[in-house]
Amino acid sequence: GQNIDQPTEMTATEGAIVQINCTYQTSGFNGLFWYQQHAGEAPTFLSYNVLDGLEEKGRFSSFLSRSKGYSYLLLKELQMKDSASYLCAPNSGAGSYQLTFGKGTKLSVIP
Amino acid sequence: DARVTQTPRHKVTEMGQEVTMRCQPILGHNTVFWYRQTMMQGLELLAYFRNRAPLDDSGMPKDRFSAEMPDATLATLKIQPSEPRDSAVYFCASETGGSGNTIYFGEGSWLTVV
Repeated sequence: GQNIDQPTEMTATEGAIVQINCTYQTSGFNGLFWYQQHAGEAPTFLSYNVLDGLEEKGRFSSFLSRSKGYSYLLLKELQMKDSASYLCAPNSGAGSYQLTFGKGTKLSVIP
Repeated sequence: DARVTQTPRHKVTEMGQEVTMRCQPILGHNTVFWYRQTMMQGLELLAYFRNRAPLDDSGMPKDRFSAEMPDATLATLKIQPSEPRDSAVYFCASETGGSGNTIYFGEGSWLTVV
């Protein structure tokens, strides 16, 4: 089976840095996605990690350690519009149909 | 700007009624998913199709839910009869197929069964 653990809620200040952690246990592994979901909207793609290490994309970076079953999403220079839920989704197989989404971390950015 | 289109966006219906949700995947995407999202369970995969063929619907309650893809531009999810516990947001998503491809979500159908 699949088990994904990420904090339910986090609060951070505008302009700060926040790290959202995700630990997972899957029967197989073929990469991990992070999606952003604003309230009342659809999830949108943020990042995809297959290999260990840090992938940087503008203000957002994502890290993966396959041996530890661990990933994090790092958001820098936080803006109010970053208030959203962030979903960790490991892919346990060769196809996206084996993507399992965590329940998400609701991030609130405050002034 | 290619996107997944879903209808209806919002639906309120009475228990026992039939509900049909429709989805137009992004042109050229051969894999279509139906997800359900609730506060308690998060985002759950109900079913998915590849090249219009249903490959897995194990996440779907078979007694009342059915999913079809009449053609490459239309996927449907039907609930009959609907129950209050079916109240959720139903997302359709599509991708080009293959490992690591990004899944693009529609804006969702917000269903309330009273």
